[in-house]
Amino acid sequence: IAGITQAPTSQILAAGRRMTLRCTQDMRHNAMYWYRQDLGLGLRLIHYSNTAGTTGKGEVPDGYSVSRANTDDFPLTLASAVPSQTSVYFCASSALAGESTDTQYFGPGTRLTVL
Amino acid sequence: GQNIDQPTEMTATEGAIVQINCTYQTSGFNGLFWYQQHAGEAPTFLSYNVLDGLEEKGRFSSFLSRSKGYSYLLLKELQMKDSASYLCAVRDSNYQLIWGAGTKLIIKP
Repeated sequence: IAGITQAPTSQILAAGRRMTLRCTQDMRHNAMYWYRQDLGLGLRLIHYSNTAGTTGKGEVPDGYSVSRANTDDFPLTLASAVPSQTSVYFCASSALAGESTDTQYFGPGTRLTVL
Repeated sequence: GQNIDQPTEMTATEGAIVQINCTYQTSGFNGLFWYQQHAGEAPTFLSYNVLDGLEEKGRFSSFLSRSKGYSYLLLKELQMKDSASYLCAVRDSNYQLIWGAGTKLIIKP
């Protein structure tokens, strides 16, 4: 059982290019999340999905889009990358969004550098 | 606004005890989480508190006071492998997690 996988592990991208970060979970969790982590800042939520077919905006959604066509996959797309999107991106999933005890489990992360 | 405060960095000695504090101001409260994150790795779940008091789990304990907006993570019998960042997160009224910037814990022999 892999849990949550992310691809690629790392990427260097030219500004203006389009990029999709992939995330797949095999735990049949209902909810999935995308965070970015920058030095000196806490994890910041980009987008989330409480169940397949629905998505919502987090704290920092601008410049990013997501889709949730099925339970397992939650890709994050940067339509036109900018240097401020250089960060480490973590995908997470949880079983029951909306429950106070719901625990999020994280993928290994994607380190993205935009030049 | 919503705010989670933790010390940026702490240093402790192998075998000792260390307490990492977290204070929070959030719109609503639906539980507080502690995660451990080793350098270059993903955060991993350590503990969850929703009621006041102490939750003990082996060498790690977590305490919550909702009236004070305060929690701490207590690590006993420190080992070198405990060198990591410790993240405090609060679930707000929208059931979203608000994260602190993390406390980097350095363990010295």
